[in-house]
Amino acid sequence: GQQLNQSPQSMFIQEGEDVSMNCTSSSIFNTWLWYKQDPGEGPVLLIALYKAGELTSNGRLTAQFGITRKDSFLNISASIPSDVGIYFCALGGGPLGGATNKLIFGTGTLLAVQP
Amino acid sequence: SAVISQKPSRDICQRGTSLTIQCQVDSQVTMMFWYRQQPGQSLTLIATANQGSEATYESGFVIDKFPISRPNLTFSTLTVSNMSPEDSSIYLCSVLLGDTQYFGPGTRLTVL
Repeated sequence: GQQLNQSPQSMFIQEGEDVSMNCTSSSIFNTWLWYKQDPGEGPVLLIALYKAGELTSNGRLTAQFGITRKDSFLNISASIPSDVGIYFCALGGGPLGGATNKLIFGTGTLLAVQP
Repeated sequence: SAVISQKPSRDICQRGTSLTIQCQVDSQVTMMFWYRQQPGQSLTLIATANQGSEATYESGFVIDKFPISRPNLTFSTLTVSNMSPEDSSIYLCSVLLGDTQYFGPGTRLTVL
Protein backbone atom coordinates (compact mmCIF):
# COMPACT_ATOMS: atom_id res chain seq x y z
CA GLY A 1 0.00 0.00 0.00
CA GLN A 2 0.85 3.66 -0.13
CA GLN A 3 3.60 4.71 2.27
CA LEU A 4 3.45 8.27 3.59
CA ASN A 5 6.20 9.19 6.00
CA GLN A 6 6.04 12.41 8.02
CA SER A 7 8.85 13.76 10.15
CA PRO A 8 9.67 14.74 12.74
CA GLN A 9 7.14 12.98 14.97
CA SER A 10 7.30 15.82 17.49
CA MET A 11 9.04 19.12 18.04
CA PHE A 12 9.53 21.18 21.20
CA ILE A 13 10.71 24.69 20.43
CA GLN A 14 10.98 28.16 21.90
CA GLU A 15 8.67 30.94 20.82
CA GLY A 16 10.19 32.83 17.90
CA GLU A 17 12.01 29.86 16.42
CA ASP A 18 11.40 28.64 12.89
CA VAL A 19 10.00 25.16 12.31
CA SER A 20 10.29 22.75 9.41
CA MET A 21 8.54 19.44 8.82
CA ASN A 22 8.28 17.22 5.77
CA CYS A 23 6.49 14.31 4.17
CA THR A 24 7.55 11.78 1.59
CA SER A 25 5.44 9.30 -0.32
CA SER A 26 6.26 6.13 -2.20
CA SER A 27 4.02 7.10 -5.12
CA ILE A 28 3.30 10.19 -7.19
CA PHE A 29 0.26 12.23 -6.18
CA ASN A 30 -1.39 15.28 -7.72
CA THR A 31 -2.19 17.16 -4.54
CA TRP A 32 -0.33 17.81 -1.30
CA LEU A 33 -2.23 19.33 1.59
CA TRP A 34 -1.16 20.53 5.01
CA TYR A 35 -3.66 20.48 7.90
CA LYS A 36 -3.45 21.56 11.54
CA GLN A 37 -5.46 19.90 14.28
CA ASP A 38 -6.04 21.61 17.62
CA PRO A 39 -7.05 19.50 20.64
CA GLY A 40 -10.70 18.52 20.50
CA GLU A 41 -11.11 19.83 16.96
CA GLY A 42 -11.08 18.49 13.44
CA PRO A 43 -8.19 19.26 11.09
CA VAL A 44 -8.18 22.65 9.41
CA LEU A 45 -6.62 23.15 5.98
CA LEU A 46 -3.54 25.40 6.02
CA ILE A 47 -2.12 25.14 2.53
CA ALA A 48 -2.96 23.22 -0.65
CA LEU A 49 -0.39 22.47 -3.36
CA TYR A 50 -1.36 21.30 -6.83
CA LYS A 51 1.74 21.66 -9.01
CA ALA A 52 5.15 20.08 -8.82
CA GLY A 53 7.63 22.68 -7.61
CA GLU A 54 4.86 24.98 -6.35
CA LEU A 55 5.81 27.16 -3.39
CA THR A 56 2.90 28.69 -1.49
CA SER A 57 2.72 30.94 1.56
CA ASN A 58 -0.06 31.59 4.04
CA GLY A 59 1.10 34.22 6.52
CA ARG A 60 4.02 32.74 8.46
CA LEU A 61 3.54 29.36 6.79
CA THR A 62 5.29 28.28 3.61
CA ALA A 63 4.89 24.95 1.88
CA GLN A 64 6.40 23.43 -1.24
CA PHE A 65 5.35 20.59 -3.52
CA GLY A 66 8.49 18.67 -4.47
CA ILE A 67 9.42 18.48 -8.14
CA THR A 68 9.34 14.68 -8.03
CA ARG A 69 5.73 14.92 -6.69
CA LYS A 70 6.72 12.53 -3.93
CA ASP A 71 7.52 14.99 -1.16
CA SER A 72 6.52 18.25 0.48
CA PHE A 73 7.70 20.43 3.32
CA LEU A 74 5.99 22.94 5.61
CA ASN A 75 7.87 25.78 7.27
CA ILE A 76 6.56 27.96 10.08
CA SER A 77 8.53 31.13 10.74
CA ALA A 78 8.73 32.99 14.05
CA SER A 79 6.58 30.50 15.93
CA ILE A 80 4.06 31.69 18.52
CA PRO A 81 2.25 29.77 21.29
CA SER A 82 -0.93 29.39 19.24
CA ASP A 83 1.01 27.36 16.68
CA VAL A 84 0.78 24.45 19.11
CA GLY A 85 -1.05 21.48 17.64
CA ILE A 86 -0.65 18.48 15.38
CA TYR A 87 0.28 19.12 11.78
CA PHE A 88 -0.66 16.57 9.15
CA CYS A 89 0.32 16.29 5.54
CA ALA A 90 -2.25 14.65 3.32
CA LEU A 91 -2.23 13.35 -0.21
CA GLY A 92 -4.97 13.49 -2.79
CA GLY A 93 -5.29 12.94 -6.50
CA GLY A 94 -4.29 9.28 -6.60
CA PRO A 95 -1.10 7.59 -7.76
CA LEU A 96 -0.11 8.06 -11.37
CA GLY A 97 -2.44 11.00 -11.66
CA GLY A 98 -5.76 9.22 -11.14
CA ALA A 99 -8.52 11.50 -9.92
CA THR A 100 -9.79 10.88 -6.41
CA ASN A 101 -11.14 12.94 -3.56
CA LYS A 102 -9.91 10.48 -1.00
CA LEU A 103 -7.18 11.76 1.27
CA ILE A 104 -4.32 9.79 2.76
CA PHE A 105 -2.98 11.37 5.94
CA GLY A 106 0.56 11.36 7.25
CA THR A 107 1.37 10.31 10.78
CA GLY A 108 1.43 13.87 12.07
CA THR A 109 3.95 16.18 13.73
CA LEU A 110 3.18 17.32 17.26
CA LEU A 111 4.41 20.88 17.78
CA ALA A 112 4.89 22.35 21.23
CA VAL A 113 5.95 25.99 21.60
CA GLN A 114 7.45 27.22 24.84
CA PRO A 115 6.60 30.90 25.49
CA SER B 1 -16.05 27.37 3.64
CA ALA B 2 -18.37 24.92 5.38
CA VAL B 3 -19.51 24.77 8.99
CA ILE B 4 -19.89 21.21 10.22
CA SER B 5 -21.36 20.01 13.48
CA GLN B 6 -21.32 16.53 14.96
CA LYS B 7 -23.42 14.93 17.66
CA PRO B 8 -22.59 13.69 20.18
CA SER B 9 -19.27 15.41 20.81
CA ARG B 10 -18.25 12.53 23.05
CA ASP B 11 -19.72 9.39 24.57
CA ILE B 12 -18.79 6.49 26.78
CA CYS B 13 -20.43 3.23 25.78
CA GLN B 14 -20.55 -0.36 26.92
CA ARG B 15 -19.18 -3.10 24.71
CA GLY B 16 -21.75 -4.81 22.53
CA THR B 17 -23.87 -1.70 22.12
CA SER B 18 -24.15 0.60 19.10
CA LEU B 19 -23.77 4.36 18.72
CA THR B 20 -25.03 6.56 15.90
CA ILE B 21 -23.06 9.71 15.15
CA GLN B 22 -24.70 12.57 13.30
CA CYS B 23 -23.01 15.02 10.95
CA GLN B 24 -24.72 18.23 9.82
CA VAL B 25 -23.27 20.71 7.34
CA ASP B 26 -24.50 24.23 6.58
CA SER B 27 -24.21 23.82 2.80
CA GLN B 28 -25.49 21.29 0.31
CA VAL B 29 -22.61 19.00 -0.59
CA THR B 30 -22.41 15.93 -2.77
CA MET B 31 -19.50 14.16 -1.13
CA MET B 32 -19.19 13.44 2.57
CA PHE B 33 -16.57 11.29 4.23
CA TRP B 34 -16.19 9.50 7.54
CA TYR B 35 -12.76 9.12 9.15
CA ARG B 36 -11.48 7.37 12.24
CA GLN B 37 -8.62 8.70 14.35
CA GLN B 38 -7.41 6.20 16.90
CA PRO B 39 -5.70 7.57 20.02
CA GLY B 40 -2.47 9.32 19.12
CA GLN B 41 -2.80 8.28 15.49
CA SER B 42 -3.52 9.81 12.13
CA LEU B 43 -6.82 9.88 10.28
CA THR B 44 -7.99 6.84 8.32
CA LEU B 45 -10.83 7.02 5.82
CA ILE B 46 -13.71 4.68 6.67
CA ALA B 47 -16.07 5.40 3.79
CA THR B 48 -17.31 7.92 1.26
CA ALA B 49 -21.01 8.77 1.46
CA ASN B 50 -22.71 10.33 -1.54
CA GLN B 51 -26.36 11.29 -1.41
CA GLY B 52 -28.55 8.90 -3.34
CA SER B 53 -26.10 6.02 -3.46
CA GLU B 54 -24.64 3.38 -1.20
CA ALA B 55 -21.59 4.35 0.79
CA THR B 56 -18.24 3.14 -0.51
CA TYR B 57 -16.10 1.52 2.16
CA GLU B 58 -12.32 1.40 2.36
CA SER B 59 -10.36 -1.78 2.87
CA GLY B 60 -10.76 -3.02 6.43
CA PHE B 61 -14.16 -1.41 6.99
CA VAL B 62 -17.49 -3.11 6.34
CA ILE B 63 -21.07 -1.95 6.18
CA ASP B 64 -22.28 -4.34 8.89
CA LYS B 65 -19.90 -2.75 11.38
CA PHE B 66 -20.19 0.87 10.19
CA PRO B 67 -23.55 1.42 8.50
CA ILE B 68 -23.90 4.88 7.00
CA SER B 69 -26.94 6.88 5.99
CA ARG B 70 -27.00 9.88 3.68
CA PRO B 71 -30.63 10.97 3.43
CA ASN B 72 -29.98 14.43 1.97
CA LEU B 73 -27.25 16.83 0.89
CA THR B 74 -26.62 18.31 4.34
CA PHE B 75 -26.75 15.33 6.68
CA SER B 76 -25.19 11.93 7.30
CA THR B 77 -24.96 9.38 10.09
CA LEU B 78 -22.35 6.79 10.95
CA THR B 79 -23.24 3.93 13.28
CA VAL B 80 -20.57 2.03 15.15
CA SER B 81 -22.16 -1.37 15.75
CA ASN B 82 -21.50 -4.05 18.35
CA MET B 83 -18.75 -1.96 19.87
CA SER B 84 -15.59 -3.26 21.46
CA PRO B 85 -12.81 -1.34 23.26
CA GLU B 86 -10.83 -1.36 20.00
CA ASP B 87 -13.47 0.98 18.55
CA SER B 88 -12.45 3.71 20.99
CA SER B 89 -11.46 6.53 18.66
CA ILE B 90 -12.38 9.95 17.40
CA TYR B 91 -14.79 9.73 14.48
CA LEU B 92 -14.79 12.70 12.10
CA CYS B 93 -16.97 13.58 9.18
CA SER B 94 -15.77 15.79 6.38
CA VAL B 95 -17.28 17.34 3.28
CA LEU B 96 -15.87 18.24 -0.09
CA LEU B 97 -16.68 21.82 -1.05
CA GLY B 98 -14.95 22.94 -4.21
CA ASP B 99 -11.47 21.47 -4.02
CA THR B 100 -11.26 21.49 -0.23
CA GLN B 101 -12.24 18.98 2.44
CA TYR B 102 -13.61 20.56 5.60
CA PHE B 103 -13.75 18.55 8.81
CA GLY B 104 -16.18 18.44 11.66
CA PRO B 105 -14.99 18.68 15.28
CA GLY B 106 -15.16 14.92 15.77
CA THR B 107 -16.94 12.57 18.14
CA ARG B 108 -14.74 11.10 20.86
CA LEU B 109 -15.92 7.56 21.61
CA THR B 110 -14.75 5.48 24.55
CA VAL B 111 -15.87 1.86 24.77
CA LEU B 112 -15.60 0.13 28.12
